Amino acid sequence: AQSVTQLDSQVPVFEEAPVELRCNYSSSVSVYLFWYVQYPNQGLQLLLKYLSGSTLVKSINGFEAEFNKSQTSFHLRKPSVHISDTAEYFCAVTEIQGGSEKLVFGKGTKLTVNP
Amino acid sequence: DSGVTQTPKHLITATGQRVTLRCSPRSGDLSVYWYQQSLDQGLQFLIHYYNGEERAKGNILERFSAQQFPDLHSELNLSSLELGDSALYFCASSPRLGSQYFGPGTRLTVT
Repeated sequence: AQSVTQLDSQVPVFEEAPVELRCNYSSSVSVYLFWYVQYPNQGLQLLLKYLSGSTLVKSINGFEAEFNKSQTSFHLRKPSVHISDTAEYFCAVTEIQGGSEKLVFGKGTKLTVNP
Repeated sequence: DSGVTQTPKHLITATGQRVTLRCSPRSGDLSVYWYQQSLDQGLQFLIHYYNGEERAKGNILERFSAQQFPDLHSELNLSSLELGDSALYFCASSPRLGSQYFGPGTRLTVT
């Protein structure tokens, strides 16, 4: 079975600083990878995903993640964070069986951006 | 707004009771997935329905059941509720592999 490890449960940073949220997954076979964001008291929003092709994927609000097959990683980065980026971020990998695609999530990383 | 709706938004009930959570997928999506988010277990997959048929089961308790109706909406039924069932329950709809859109969730509190 797949598993996802988010190495940091909490990451505090100052506004305009760069940030990296780390994610490692267990599978060595082809996978789909995702980052979801959950703002306080809200649902999960898809931030970005890797399905195939270019290993560097970007979101519309400045986040990017790079798929690294050899290191089984999919770290999320942003060069300059804003207060509004404060949220919990979840890395997920798909586990596909018999036409069903379940998402396996990491435990989440709480990003707090301080002024 | 993902286009996925869930009702109710909040639900408070007592131990031993039964509740039904409802999910309406995005227009045209045939797949509905249910997930549970709790402090202890994090986000866990419960069950997947495709066009009315159960496709996969995850860590879903026997006290829980789900179904998907001909209009594609889905219901998650939770019975004999325990304190530990308190959690956020999300549904997600999907048009294809690699795309799951989550609803806002139903927060269940069992007292």
